[in-house]
Amino acid sequence: DTGVSQDPRHKITKRGQNVTFRCDPISEHNRLYWYRQTLGQGPEFLTYFQNEAQLEKSRLLSDRFSAERPKGSFSTLEIQRTEQGDSAMYLCASSLGRALGDTQYFGPGTRLTVL
Amino acid sequence: QKEVEQDPGPLSVPEGAIVSLNCTYSNSAFQYFMWYRQYSRKGPELLMYTYSSGNKEDGRFTAQVDKSSKYISLFIRDSQPSDSATYLCAMSGGLEYGNKLVFGAGTILRVKS
Repeated sequence: DTGVSQDPRHKITKRGQNVTFRCDPISEHNRLYWYRQTLGQGPEFLTYFQNEAQLEKSRLLSDRFSAERPKGSFSTLEIQRTEQGDSAMYLCASSLGRALGDTQYFGPGTRLTVL
Repeated sequence: QKEVEQDPGPLSVPEGAIVSLNCTYSNSAFQYFMWYRQYSRKGPELLMYTYSSGNKEDGRFTAQVDKSSKYISLFIRDSQPSDSATYLCAMSGGLEYGNKLVFGAGTILRVKS
């Protein structure tokens, strides 16, 4: 088991550009979560998937954000028309989705800088 | 007011000291309580997972939950310089709430050798 992986690890972009991040969860984990973390704060929930179904989106996820998890495996998070306020660490986590003792394992994150 | 409050520190202690980290919360729906450790520019790493009130021990780490007071703690015994990191408390309401985690802001811990 290689853990949760994310790509790229760092992304620098100019305001107005589109960016896409990828997350590969731990195999056999059917739940996948996206969080955003800004400097000095804890991660904040953005959205999550049960297999390929996106079950919840936070109010933080504006219309410029879209996430997919085709075939219930890897997931992508796209931000369109990036703004400086989108600069943050984007974290992906996966879990088995158990009713009791469900543990989320985090990836290393993608650090986005919008100039 | 945030759902989960955590003192950001920094907390600076000498090597070998006992460290106490705390969080308070307001949402009675929280049933599962976690502590994550995060090194600079890395993803959070799970340290402790507890359900319901009481204590749980794992090596040098002890997690304590008091649901009546809506207060959780993490104790680190014999602290080491390698324990220097940000410690995040996290909690969730369980599967019916999507198991999504609500985090505190994190406490920066520095253990001096």
